[in-house]
Amino acid sequence: DAGVIQSPRHEVTEMGQEVTLRCKPISGHNSLFWYRQTMMRGLELLIYFNNNVPIDDSGMPEDRFSAKMPNASFSTLKIQPSEPRDSAVYFCASSLGQGIKETQYFGPGTRLLVL
Amino acid sequence: QKEVEQNSGPLSVPEGAIASLNCTYSDRGSQSFFWYRQYSGKSPELIMFIYSNGDKEDGRFTAQLNKASQYVSLLIRDSQPSDSATYLCAVNSGGSNYKLTFGKGTLLTVNP
Repeated sequence: DAGVIQSPRHEVTEMGQEVTLRCKPISGHNSLFWYRQTMMRGLELLIYFNNNVPIDDSGMPEDRFSAKMPNASFSTLKIQPSEPRDSAVYFCASSLGQGIKETQYFGPGTRLLVL
Repeated sequence: QKEVEQNSGPLSVPEGAIASLNCTYSDRGSQSFFWYRQYSGKSPELIMFIYSNGDKEDGRFTAQLNKASQYVSLLIRDSQPSDSATYLCAVNSGGSNYKLTFGKGTLLTVNP
């Protein structure tokens, strides 16, 4: 299996620009998670999809952040406009089922730097 | 705010020793507990989970859970330099069946 695939792996952009992060979950997995990791706040859940439907977006910081999952094999996380405080590593993870006991498999992450 | 607390470390142990990593959590509704390992610059990887009070062993790893004390720990026996990583404790937040709350992690260094 290829595992969870994320792109780009690194992104450097200027404040105010739009940033789009992409994720391809493991084939057959129907749960997808977007996380953000910073030194200050650790690893935080941003949004959770089940069967392509957003179930919980309470972790999305503000309206500048949006996420979509148009089909079972693709999801995007968009930041518009980006700010320096958005600099972090963004991870996508997927799991086979919906329950907490399903192992979440993390992608390699996207390291975002907003100047 | 549901919290998961870990000592940030670094925790330094000699090769072959037992490394003990600790985690406390604030939400009494949490039922599921996980330990992830994260190498520098890499993504988190699940290494252990525990749902019941007591000990659970998997190879060199033992997870210990005490719900009354809201305490979960990870013991690594015969520590190897390859165990050097950050260990993240995670619990299901508010009894959620999908949401994990992570601690900030403990950096473990195993010295040859």
